[in-house]
Amino acid sequence: DVKVTQSSRYLVKRTGEKVFLECVQDMDHENMFWYRQDPGLGLRLIYFSYDVKMKEKGDIPEGYSVSREKKERFSLILESASTNQTSMYLCASSLTSGGWDTQYFGPGTRLTVL
Amino acid sequence: EDKVVQSPLSLVVHEGDTVTLNCSYEVTNFRSLLWYKQEKKAPTFLFMLTSSGIEKKSGRLSSILDKKELFSILNITATQTGDSAVYLCAVEDSGNTGKLIFGQGTTLQVKP
Repeated sequence: DVKVTQSSRYLVKRTGEKVFLECVQDMDHENMFWYRQDPGLGLRLIYFSYDVKMKEKGDIPEGYSVSREKKERFSLILESASTNQTSMYLCASSLTSGGWDTQYFGPGTRLTVL
Repeated sequence: EDKVVQSPLSLVVHEGDTVTLNCSYEVTNFRSLLWYKQEKKAPTFLFMLTSSGIEKKSGRLSSILDKKELFSILNITATQTGDSAVYLCAVEDSGNTGKLIFGQGTTLQVKP
């Protein structure tokens, strides 16, 4: 079974803090993604990576950065957390080929910024 | 700007009812359309559609794509309380490796 894990299920941080969200997949997937999910807005892509040390901006990269030093790990970084970054964050991974029915999501991290 | 729009945003039905969820899209480089079901945790995959007019079916769920009119529908027959979830539609952008553009989701509540 493919497994995508995220470091925390719930996280509470203060405005201005640096926040790290970690995602690990165990299926040697090439592509990894970070989304945030907000009511009424669906899932929005923040960043994605199609190889180690490669990253591409998604639709809403402002205020975020990412790191992919190893194939299995994709980190999302909030340099200086703000209250409008309170959200559910979902990580996903997929194969490069085989169709997008092979995209797998992690359980999500609910981040609250006070 | 590429976009995916789902309707309705929320729906309340009773067990046994049939529901139809809609997804329309405007995506320049369309590769496929996907439906996901999201309960309390992460989305789980339901269907991937790439060709017009070919119905995909899984139990009480079915889906079809119309690439001319740029929409898809997801049908659920004989609904059960376990069908209560958020249903997400996403379109894969072939111009951007792996990028999925999601709709806002439809929240379905099935009452006993």
